[in-house]
Amino acid sequence: GESVGLHLPTLSVQEGDNSIINCAYSNSASDYFIWYKQESGKGPQFIIDIRSNMDKRQGQRVTVLLNKTVKHLSLQIAATQPGDSAVYFCAEKGSNDYKLSFGAGTTVTVRA
Amino acid sequence: DAGVIQSPRHEVTEMGQEVTLRCKPISGHNSLFWYRQTMMRGLELLIYFNNNVPIDDSGMPEDRFSAKMPNASFSTLKIQPSEPRDSAVYFCASRGGSADTQYFGPGTRLTVL
Repeated sequence: GESVGLHLPTLSVQEGDNSIINCAYSNSASDYFIWYKQESGKGPQFIIDIRSNMDKRQGQRVTVLLNKTVKHLSLQIAATQPGDSAVYFCAEKGSNDYKLSFGAGTTVTVRA
Repeated sequence: DAGVIQSPRHEVTEMGQEVTLRCKPISGHNSLFWYRQTMMRGLELLIYFNNNVPIDDSGMPEDRFSAKMPNASFSTLKIQPSEPRDSAVYFCASRGGSADTQYFGPGTRLTVL
């Protein structure tokens, strides 16, 4: 069936560098996409979201890019900090749906 | 805003015992979701409530699992009898009005021996 998946299960990044986390989706009817950060022992924390009528949205140190042509979503973290070490999940939702379909998650480790 | 509140944070029980997990959604939110997270299966939606009414319980594993939402500020997920394979982290999430963003609680880590 259709699902959301992540290209890479792990990402190691040097402190201060920019991070890019990728996500592929296959449901062309999805109109809402969201990124969560989950630190060890905690629940998923909302980072940023984007609707299908946009291709870019920026937050504080984070940018989400949506490429509907190739069904690709990415999260960019600027000047990665040790506190950014976590598992990052993308999720998508269909236009008439209430469910979020989650990807497997990417573990980001920040090297000092 | 206190966010979604879950209790207990950790629960260790023996096989066959009843387990009750509790959730208080964000005030004013009218949708509530229960999820289970394991390494093997990731985040799985168990049940979805809207305005205190269960809308979709297709993710509930079996009859041993039940969930209630007696009012807008409280929900429970009960497992009776519990089994070792139920060991997981259980999350509650809530969502307000027509918004799509779900906000998660800190989770309950359940260990069934």
